[in-house]
Amino acid sequence: EVQLLESGGGLVQPGGSLRLSCAASGFALSTYAMSWVRQAPGKGLEWVSSLGISATTTYYADSVKGRFTISRDNSNNTLYLQINSLRAEDTAVYYCARHDYGDPFLGGFDYWGQGILVTVSS
Amino acid sequence: SYELTQPPSVSVSPGQTARITCSGDALANQYTYWYQQRPGQAPLLVIYKDSERPSGIPERFSGSTSGTTVTLTISGVQAEDEADYYCQSADSGDTKNVFGSGTKVTVL
Repeated sequence: EVQLLESGGGLVQPGGSLRLSCAASGFALSTYAMSWVRQAPGKGLEWVSSLGISATTTYYADSVKGRFTISRDNSNNTLYLQINSLRAEDTAVYYCARHDYGDPFLGGFDYWGQGILVTVSS
Repeated sequence: SYELTQPPSVSVSPGQTARITCSGDALANQYTYWYQQRPGQAPLLVIYKDSERPSGIPERFSGSTSGTTVTLTISGVQAEDEADYYCQSADSGDTKNVFGSGTKVTVL
């Protein structure tokens, strides 16, 4: 059974940093493209970042480029999102999601985690 | 920039048919996916590749496409179908994934 479990969220001050984790089970992360998607309170879904099957292929939304870094650790089957220089507008529930294609820009997301809340506030 | 347009809300009586549209110039050349999101829950894939239904999704959910508009149809709506629905596609040229703004389905 495919499962994705996010952790690492919380309350952080503006300008601060966090590292989100997404522990995968039931499949090997190294064989799928993965993404992070966020949802601000009361708002819609926003794609944040994708990682291709080759861990060197990374992609970012313009709103987070230069501040967020996506990566994975194959040995513990975990996806990460390092988020730096946090702003109030980064406050959201962050979901990790698995792509149904190896190319993150050919299809969509077949499995989602339950999400983790990041709150940016002083 | 690449945008997907959805109606903000759709209301339907139990047993009737709900239709949710998603429009975007690139949809003629890219697959569209649909997600259901109930309050407080993660999104759930209900339609992939325009019209395919994942295992475990009820047959009353179907998808269709015509040019640059795709449609999610829920036939014989049930109370449990009350949720937000999002369409999603990919912009391979600009390497971005795009979501529609979401449609709230209310079962009267």
